[in-house]
Amino acid sequence: QKEVEQDPGPLSVPEGAIVSLNCTYSNSAFQYFMWYRQYSRKGPELLMYTYSSGNKEDGRFTAQVDKSSKYISLFIRDSQPSDSATYLCAMNTGANSKLTFGKGITLSVRP
Amino acid sequence: EAGVVQSPRYKIIEKKQPVAFWCNPISGHNTLYWYLQNLGQGPELLIRYENEEAVDDSQLPKDRFSAERLKGVDSTLKIQPAELGDSAVYLCASSPRDRDNEQFFGPGTRLTVL
Repeated sequence: QKEVEQDPGPLSVPEGAIVSLNCTYSNSAFQYFMWYRQYSRKGPELLMYTYSSGNKEDGRFTAQVDKSSKYISLFIRDSQPSDSATYLCAMNTGANSKLTFGKGITLSVRP
Repeated sequence: EAGVVQSPRYKIIEKKQPVAFWCNPISGHNTLYWYLQNLGQGPELLIRYENEEAVDDSQLPKDRFSAERLKGVDSTLKIQPAELGDSAVYLCASSPRDRDNEQFFGPGTRLTVL
């Protein structure tokens, strides 16, 4: 079993939909949780960064962490075609420790 | 502010040939990372530098891969000799000191080994 599992894709939704992207993990020592967005033929771009359990909101994006269930989510409200990309979850045990990434899920938002 | 710069963007070589990738991090970022990203997978760390010191190279296949960051700024990753299985995207990232959770990635070098 991999340390970080991410829902398989691809995912296709109509414009304006609410999107839920999820990851589970097995290492209870993970404390920092990130979501990256990667457009085709580009490097990953940090979207959201949270510490421990709870919610964090940034515009149309909300990151949610449930450490008791070892489950993290990224919600995208009012999805736009420009949100079409691959979304990667990542996490680590401390501020200076190695990032472990999920496989990524490709999202397509249809106009 | 300029982002992380990588070159070349694409490279096609035959197996057993050597290849090198170059990275210039964001100005002022002490920490530099090289990652490998296979198709349909997340990035995997190869090596992490703090200034010119390699502080984590445990995932670097040292029989054929080498890296250097001589002056603590730009860095080179080399493969010699390349194998078919090395075909992937090689990503460079950088972060400010003690802020590994805020990594900025370059566009990557897409390597194809024939």
